[in-house]
Amino acid sequence: GNSVTQMEGPVTLSEEAFLTINCTYTATGYPSLFWYVQYPGEGLQLLLKATKADDKGSNKGFEATYRKETTSFHLEKGSVQVSDSAVYFCALMLGSGGSNYKLTFGKGTLLTVNP
Amino acid sequence: NAGVMQNPRHLVRRRGQEARLRCSPMKGHSHVYWYRQLPEEGLKFMVYLQKENIIDESGMPKERFSAEFPKEGPSILRIQQVVRGDSAAYFCASSSARTGLNQPQHFGDGTRLSIL
Repeated sequence: GNSVTQMEGPVTLSEEAFLTINCTYTATGYPSLFWYVQYPGEGLQLLLKATKADDKGSNKGFEATYRKETTSFHLEKGSVQVSDSAVYFCALMLGSGGSNYKLTFGKGTLLTVNP
Repeated sequence: NAGVMQNPRHLVRRRGQEARLRCSPMKGHSHVYWYRQLPEEGLKFMVYLQKENIIDESGMPKERFSAEFPKEGPSILRIQQVVRGDSAAYFCASSSARTGLNQPQHFGDGTRLSIL
């Protein structure tokens, strides 16, 4: 089956530190990959996505590169801000086939950024 | 310019009662998806509905859970005879067409269900 594994949290950083949140996946097909962010008390918002190998998704200073050879989609940001404190979810969706609407999520990584 | 609206935001029920969770999709969206987030877990797909049709309910528990999306009104996720293990956050998402790479799912803020 399909699954997503992301690094355990919580992750605590100081403002302007470098962020990496690891994400690896297994999939029966050729998936698209996503990072979602969940701010406290809110729903999930799409942060970035990549649809094929070597694609780089980027948004708000975050980026992630689709690595087919390592089945990974690690999230990075060069300089985090307090406002980046949230839970980050890595997810996949198969690009074709009968169930290409199901998002499969990792467990989420809580990021706390201190001033 | 409302997004996906879920209510209530928090719901408390005693064991054996019924829970009804509502989801109004974004304007113009006719595809609705329900996900459940258990404590310290990622979201798990439950069901996919279009107006008046259940397309895929493969993630729904076989008993006590049901979902509908009538021609008029919100989508309803119904849990009968709730048990402690039903305590979770339930998220609804919607899209304007069947989700694909260019039809992302937009999520609501969720309903936090607590069973006493």
